[in-house]
Amino acid sequence: GEDVEQSLFLSVREGDSSVINCTYTDSSSTYLYWYKQEPGAGLQLLTYIFSNMDMKQDQRLTVLLNKKDKHLSLRIADTQTGDSAIYFCADTGGATNKLIFGTGTLLAVQP
Amino acid sequence: DAGVTQSPTHLIKTRGQHVTLRCSPISGHKSVSWYQQVLGQGPQFIFQYYEKEERGRGNFPDRFSARQFPNYSSELNVNALLLGDSALYLCASGGQGDSGELFFGEGSRLTVL
Repeated sequence: GEDVEQSLFLSVREGDSSVINCTYTDSSSTYLYWYKQEPGAGLQLLTYIFSNMDMKQDQRLTVLLNKKDKHLSLRIADTQTGDSAIYFCADTGGATNKLIFGTGTLLAVQP
Repeated sequence: DAGVTQSPTHLIKTRGQHVTLRCSPISGHKSVSWYQQVLGQGPQFIFQYYEKEERGRGNFPDRFSARQFPNYSSELNVNALLLGDSALYLCASGGQGDSGELFFGEGSRLTVL
């Protein structure tokens, strides 16, 4: 079945770059997404990438997609304490009417 | 512009009771989806509605039902509540774009005792 996996935890120092990784199983995914969730809050859409792209940059965020290996990453440049949150990758699981989410990666930014 | 709004934000129920959660999508969005997020896990898809019709259903029992109204708002109903139904219930609305972006509300946190 469809599956999305992420590492559980990442700790970085303020000002460093963070790289959050994700693997997915469904090769028919058209779009892949990154969401951010702060404690007690809903999900905030950060960025997304179309499956025929290798890279997308949006200010401090860079998304890399390796479709052959079904690997997605999110790089946050100059990580700030306000970036501390749980980050979820998600794909459409081959359907356009639902998202399949990973388990989330907790990013802890040390001052 | 208002984002996705959900009510109530928090509620406590006991086993066997029924709950109704409400969602208003972003103005102009015709699609509403519901997700369940158990503590420590990623959201799980429950339903999607588009133009008042069910377009998708996740792997949830028949105790879960939903509907969408002519103004595109939506209700999620859960009957015969179990302790395991305790979760954050997230509503998302989608636009008309091909990218399928979903915009989430803050959620309704349900605790079943």
